[in-house]
Amino acid sequence: DTGVSQNPRHKITKRGQNVTFRCDPISEHNRLYWYRQTLGQGPEFLTYFQNEAQLEKSRLLSDRFSAERPKGSFSTLEIQRTEQGDSAMYLCASIPRRDRGLGEQYFGPGTRLTVT
Amino acid sequence: AQSVTQPDIHITVSEGASLELRCNYSYGATPYLFWYVQSPGQGLQLLLKYFSGDTLVQGIKGFEAEFKRSQSSFNLRKPSVHWSDAAEYFCAVGFPTSGTYKYIFGTGTRLKVLA
Repeated sequence: DTGVSQNPRHKITKRGQNVTFRCDPISEHNRLYWYRQTLGQGPEFLTYFQNEAQLEKSRLLSDRFSAERPKGSFSTLEIQRTEQGDSAMYLCASIPRRDRGLGEQYFGPGTRLTVT
Repeated sequence: AQSVTQPDIHITVSEGASLELRCNYSYGATPYLFWYVQSPGQGLQLLLKYFSGDTLVQGIKGFEAEFKRSQSSFNLRKPSVHWSDAAEYFCAVGFPTSGTYKYIFGTGTRLKVLA
């Protein structure tokens, strides 16, 4: 059990560029969540996957955002045409299959995005 | 709609003093409640959770929390704070949706510990 990993840890990009983040959950964790956290706020739900299926997306996730989880393993979150308001910490969390979605979320360290 | 309120943005306590962090939730059914801690540069770590049963739950690092349905509260406590407890603390509620569970977090309480 090596924990949830996220790459890159930091990303600085210019407004209008596209960025992609990756999350590798703990092996055999079938549920994966993406959150956004801004300064002074708690994590805000963006989307989640059960295996490879994306089951729900927050209204925070505009059409510039897309997430995938091919083969139900790692997941990617892409932001197209970034805006300064996208600057935030993007967190990934996973939950073991045995918990059936209700249980401890194992969080990664996050990817901090800065849009200049 | 489901929501979580943490009324205290910042709390400062002296090392060795007791601590209580407040959390109020809004949810119509039985809540599933969590407390997480986030240290600088670290991912969120679960301290404890409440699903059912005994309303006083014990967690890691000497923390405990009490669920009070009548007050819609789930306050976190520690009898004697250590300097290493300085961090940000988040309360969260989980509820069923779309065949799984979704989680709403509070805005957090930042704890400062004085030596």
